[in-house]
Amino acid sequence: DGGITQSPKYLFRKEGQNVTLSCEQNLNHDAMYWYRQDPGQGLRLIYYSQIVNDFQKGDIAEGYSVSREKKESFPLTVTSAQKNPTAFYLCASKPDGYTEAFFGQGTRLTVV
Amino acid sequence: GIQVEQSPPDLILQEGANSTLRCNFSDSVNNLQWFHQNPWGQLINLFYIPSGTKQNGRLSATTVATERYSLLYISSSQTTDSGVYFCAASTSGTYKYIFGTGTRLKVLA
Repeated sequence: DGGITQSPKYLFRKEGQNVTLSCEQNLNHDAMYWYRQDPGQGLRLIYYSQIVNDFQKGDIAEGYSVSREKKESFPLTVTSAQKNPTAFYLCASKPDGYTEAFFGQGTRLTVV
Repeated sequence: GIQVEQSPPDLILQEGANSTLRCNFSDSVNNLQWFHQNPWGQLINLFYIPSGTKQNGRLSATTVATERYSLLYISSSQTTDSGVYFCAASTSGTYKYIFGTGTRLKVLA
């Protein structure tokens, strides 16, 4: 089946540890996105990528890093520099700049 | 960058009532999308509507790009319509896709 797969669904980490969230798509989409959602809040853009080997910071990129070495993969690393990493993280992809976006199921990260 | 605002922030309806949700954006858009987030956090695509009007069952949407707003209409609401409704938009020349603050809808039986 075509779609966007985020893994794991739930992730627990100790404070001070880096953690990488996976996002894979088999839709052959060029653009991919990472968003953060805090309880009762909207989605805020962390990073986005229009094409392989290229990505741009969103509105809240501090404490996060990404890579786009393959078209189908856009992993997000939450570093120890991110002060409040506990949140729901959503990955999305779009074929290009003029079509609808599709979302994965999300990863709930809890840092203790 | 583009600003996206939604109203009302919260809405409580009796089952069977109709409602209108609004999305205002600060710049011309080339992408405009409506989503429904269910209680498990999943974002469900409702409409891709940078301009014009679309309908899908009890839901319809209209975007008036020249006046920088979009409306989502829900008719004969059901309890399963409960959740948060988001709009998202981007402007020409950028892939940056920004979400509004959302409307939290609760439909009572």
